[in-house]
Amino acid sequence: EVQLVESGGGLVQPGGSLRLSCAASGFTFSSYSLNWVRQAPGRGLEWVSFISSSGSPIYYADSVKGRFTISRDNARNSLYLQMNSLRAEDTAVYYCARDRLGIAADGAFDYWGQGALVTVSS
Amino acid sequence: DIQMTQSPSSLSASVGDRISITCRASQSISTYLNWYQQKPGKAPELLIYAASSLQSGVPSRFSGSGSGTDFTLTISSLQPEDSATYYCQQSYTTPPLTFGGGTKVEIK
Repeated sequence: EVQLVESGGGLVQPGGSLRLSCAASGFTFSSYSLNWVRQAPGRGLEWVSFISSSGSPIYYADSVKGRFTISRDNARNSLYLQMNSLRAEDTAVYYCARDRLGIAADGAFDYWGQGALVTVSS
Repeated sequence: DIQMTQSPSSLSASVGDRISITCRASQSISTYLNWYQQKPGKAPELLIYAASSLQSGVPSRFSGSGSGTDFTLTISSLQPEDSATYYCQQSYTTPPLTFGGGTKVEIK
């Protein structure tokens, strides 16, 4: 059974940092591209970042470029999102999501984690 | 960036009704269009990929159509468990992948 489990969320002050993790199981992790998608309270879905199966290429939404860093450890079956210079508008549930087509990556997300809540507030 | 516009933003219908949700892209995206269902407090689930392909395990009452800029998600016979918010998403260009604003479906 495919599982994605996020961790590392919490309350952080504006300007602070947080690192999210996503532990994967039930599939060949190194064969799939992965994404982070966030959802602010009461709002819609916003794609945040993409990392290919090999670790390159990497893409970011303009809203997080230069502040967030996506990475993965294929030996540990884990995906990460390092978030720096956090702002109130980064408050959201952050989901990791697997691309449906593995290496070919067609941008459809067939498995999602349960989400990790990040709250940026003083 | 490609903008995705969904309509309506919400709808209310009865069990057994046929409903449709539309999604319009700001430029042609061929059939690089996906649909998701999200229930309160839960992660989204993939329903339809590539505009009209049903994801494994999704009931056949869900269907998708369209190409270019105009797309439709149809539920042929609405069930109580279909109460949710539905999102379209384009995967024609990365970055960024973009989602529509969502359509909340309520059961009368």
